Amino acid sequence: SQKIEQNSEALNIQEGKTATLTCNYTNYSPAYLQWYRQDPGRGPVFLLLIRENEKEKRKERLKVTFDTTLKQSLFHITASQPADSATYLCAQVGTGGFKTIFGAGTRLFVKA
Amino acid sequence: ETGVTQSPTHLIKTRGQQVTLRCSSQSGHNTVSWYQQALGQGPQFIFQYYREEENGRGNFPPRFSGLQFPNYSSELNVNALELDDSALYLCASSLGGAGVETQYFGPGTRLLVL
Repeated sequence: SQKIEQNSEALNIQEGKTATLTCNYTNYSPAYLQWYRQDPGRGPVFLLLIRENEKEKRKERLKVTFDTTLKQSLFHITASQPADSATYLCAQVGTGGFKTIFGAGTRLFVKA
Repeated sequence: ETGVTQSPTHLIKTRGQQVTLRCSSQSGHNTVSWYQQALGQGPQFIFQYYREEENGRGNFPPRFSGLQFPNYSSELNVNALELDDSALYLCASSLGGAGVETQYFGPGTRLLVL
């Protein structure tokens, strides 16, 4: 079955550094991957979508890459700030196109 | 804010009871998807409604059912509650049914089953 794997260990980084989060997918090649941010007790907020024919997508301090050979997406936050501390979820749309499959998320802590 | 609202925000029920959760989608959106999120996990897809019809379902038993109304708001009903149903229930609205690229999530309903 389709599966999305994200590093379950929390990522702790210093303010100003670049945070890099990893998302690996198995058993299915999605047409695109999505990244969301989720704060405690809140719903996920859509950040970026990258298609299989795109190597890289940027939005302000965010950058996402998509490597279909490695079956992996990397999510980067440059010049990180304490306000970036949250859980970041990777997601893919499953076969049939209606079901979004989420990873468990990676918790990011940015220290001032 | 996404414009997606959910009610109630919190709910406590006992095992065996039934619960109804509500979601108002963002203006102009005709598709609502429901998710269950256990603590420390990602959201798990329950089902999707598009123009008042169920458009797809995840691996949840039939005691999880839903409705979508002509104004595209939606309800999630869970019968015969079990302890494992304790979770954050999220709805997400979007436009266009299957193949949705961007979903807008509500704040969720936190359900505790005792």
